[in-house]
Amino acid sequence: AQSVTQPDIHITVSEGASLELRCNYSYGATPYLFWYVQSPGQGLQLLLKYFSGDTLVQGIKGFEAEFKRSQSSFNLRKPSVHWSDAAEYFCAVGAYNQGGKLIFGQGTELSVKP
Amino acid sequence: EAGVTQSPTHLIKTRGQQATLRCSPISGHTSVYWYQQALGLGLQFLLWYDEGEERNRGNFPPRFSGRQFPNYSSELNVNALELEDSALYLCASSLTQGSYNEQFFGPGTRLTVL
Repeated sequence: AQSVTQPDIHITVSEGASLELRCNYSYGATPYLFWYVQSPGQGLQLLLKYFSGDTLVQGIKGFEAEFKRSQSSFNLRKPSVHWSDAAEYFCAVGAYNQGGKLIFGQGTELSVKP
Repeated sequence: EAGVTQSPTHLIKTRGQQATLRCSPISGHTSVYWYQQALGLGLQFLLWYDEGEERNRGNFPPRFSGRQFPNYSSELNVNALELEDSALYLCASSLTQGSYNEQFFGPGTRLTVL
């Protein structure tokens, strides 16, 4: 069965430090991969997506992610974190033959220390 | 361009009642998706509508139902409410699924069942 794992439930980084959020997926074919961010009480905002092609994708707010097929991973990175990046981050997998649905990881809550 | 809108923002019901949640997709989008985000259960796919038809549903009982109107807006109905239905209900929209398209989310409706 398809699944998405985000191993880190909660991460704390200092403002200005680099960030990497991990995501591993299990899927038989090439998936479509997404990172979303959710601020408290808000909906989900799409940060970036991978469909095909270049395995390093750039997103909004200075985020990037790298698709590594051999590791079944799609980790999210940012070189310098800002206090406003504090939020919950979700990795998701979709597929054309998956009946439209996205499968989400459990989420990683990011806290930023001043 | 207006994003996905949902109403109401908050909804309080008692056990056994019915709840109706509404969603308006981004202009030009024909697919609407519903997800449930319950505490401790993460984001779960509920329903997918496209061109007025239900295309897929997640692992939820039949008391969760909905429809899509000719203007592509959608309604989610939850009958015989149970306490565990308390959750944030997120609606998303996308272009039609000729090929895979990313989903854009609304702010959600917070349903509380007392």
